[in-house]
Amino acid sequence: QQQVKQSPQSLIVQKGGIPIINCAYENTAFDYFPWYQQFPGKGPALLIAIRPDVSEKKEGRFTISFNKSAKQFSLHIMDSQPGDSATYFCAASAFSGYQKVTFGIGTKLQVIP
Amino acid sequence: DVKVTQSSRYLVKRTGEKVFLECVQDMDHENMFWYRQDPGLGLRLIYFSYDVKMKEKGDIPEGYSVSREKKERFSLILESASTNQTSMYLCASSLSMSSYNSPLHFGNGTRLTVT
Repeated sequence: QQQVKQSPQSLIVQKGGIPIINCAYENTAFDYFPWYQQFPGKGPALLIAIRPDVSEKKEGRFTISFNKSAKQFSLHIMDSQPGDSATYFCAASAFSGYQKVTFGIGTKLQVIP
Repeated sequence: DVKVTQSSRYLVKRTGEKVFLECVQDMDHENMFWYRQDPGLGLRLIYFSYDVKMKEKGDIPEGYSVSREKKERFSLILESASTNQTSMYLCASSLSMSSYNSPLHFGNGTRLTVT
């Protein structure tokens, strides 16, 4: 059973477009929602993260939108560039004495020039 | 910068072999993790450790064991490799118990093929 559901699995946009990746969760104990970015041949790296007490967080061209009542969150990439082509994972964790992060299945993004 | 180093980039083993995957981190992190990454399934947690000699099962521990004898080193062991363990294995570490201030730092992965 997927605790964090992520869609779409793949996405192709043109340079300058705004790809949107959506995630949903069921466990209301989740209280931290990071996004990880993975380039081919590399391990994932933290991109941006949000806590449920805010509805939006921006870092550069990357924005997380969070809807606590719907238990959904999404990543938007403004003015996307070919260098943003990577696999993106949403994740969630609940602090319960130790850190355990649950990941979505990943979205492979391709930004074409 | 945190460095998490996995000993092998590619590994090919035969069914039934005992396999050791090694991981070392250089930043004195408390927590270490083993994930496997499969297309369409994302990253799934196999085992993690929050202290030397301590270990906790993740979501898919069957067929695996781990060892953490030193703080900087975390080993994943496949007691008897099977073809369904063919996958990309990712090691990660994090500074402390709190999720908010200690992101996961991943190695570049070991692609294991079991034939």
